[in-house]
Amino acid sequence: AQKITQTQPGMFVQEKEAVTLDCTYDTSDPSYGLFWYKQPSSGEMIFLIYQGSYDQQNATEGRYSLNFQKARKSANLVISASQLGDSAMYFCAMREAGGTSYGKLTFGQGTILTVHP
Amino acid sequence: GAGVSQTPSNKVTEKGKYVELRCDPISGHTALYWYRQSLGQGPEFLIYFQGTGAADDSGLPNDRFFAVRPEGSVSTLKIQRTERGDSAVYLCASSLRGYETQYFGPGTRLLVL
Repeated sequence: AQKITQTQPGMFVQEKEAVTLDCTYDTSDPSYGLFWYKQPSSGEMIFLIYQGSYDQQNATEGRYSLNFQKARKSANLVISASQLGDSAMYFCAMREAGGTSYGKLTFGQGTILTVHP
Repeated sequence: GAGVSQTPSNKVTEKGKYVELRCDPISGHTALYWYRQSLGQGPEFLIYFQGTGAADDSGLPNDRFFAVRPEGSVSTLKIQRTERGDSAVYLCASSLRGYETQYFGPGTRLLVL
């Protein structure tokens, strides 16, 4: 089974509007972390936001917020007031705390976001 | 401060050759990770170092792949007898400690002809 599922291969949004990128995850580990990274065409992975499984509140970082619904195992990224520079590939990733693999990130397939002027 | 750096940025080699890819983590970061990203896919974990030792090498695809981090800072990913299927972008990341946010380098794009 896929540990991280991103069901939207591509998304389009108008500049200045908000957009939600979907991410669902699968784990039996009670302690885990969820991350979103942005990868522009230049190739570098840029960290955006983190949510811990025990965090009571949804994470926010500037225009980015994470809609964390633990019972549904979803961790959607919300980008408010989209900008042309937001056009990129976005990856959801999970780190599980159990065993020796707690350092390892498991990534989804990614969603390509295109922001139109 | 300086981010994670990787050299070379691009490497073209012939099938069967040996290659080394280098990663210089953020200063003070004790944890270092290697990932491989094929075109259109998310990165896949290869190996994780905590200090000088490999804490988890479960992602290395076979014994042609090996990585070292002898002084707990710079790491080298070594690929022997390269195959065309090894062509990918190899990403390195580091974090202050093993459970903290990972920061990625720009990657090395490897092409095996």
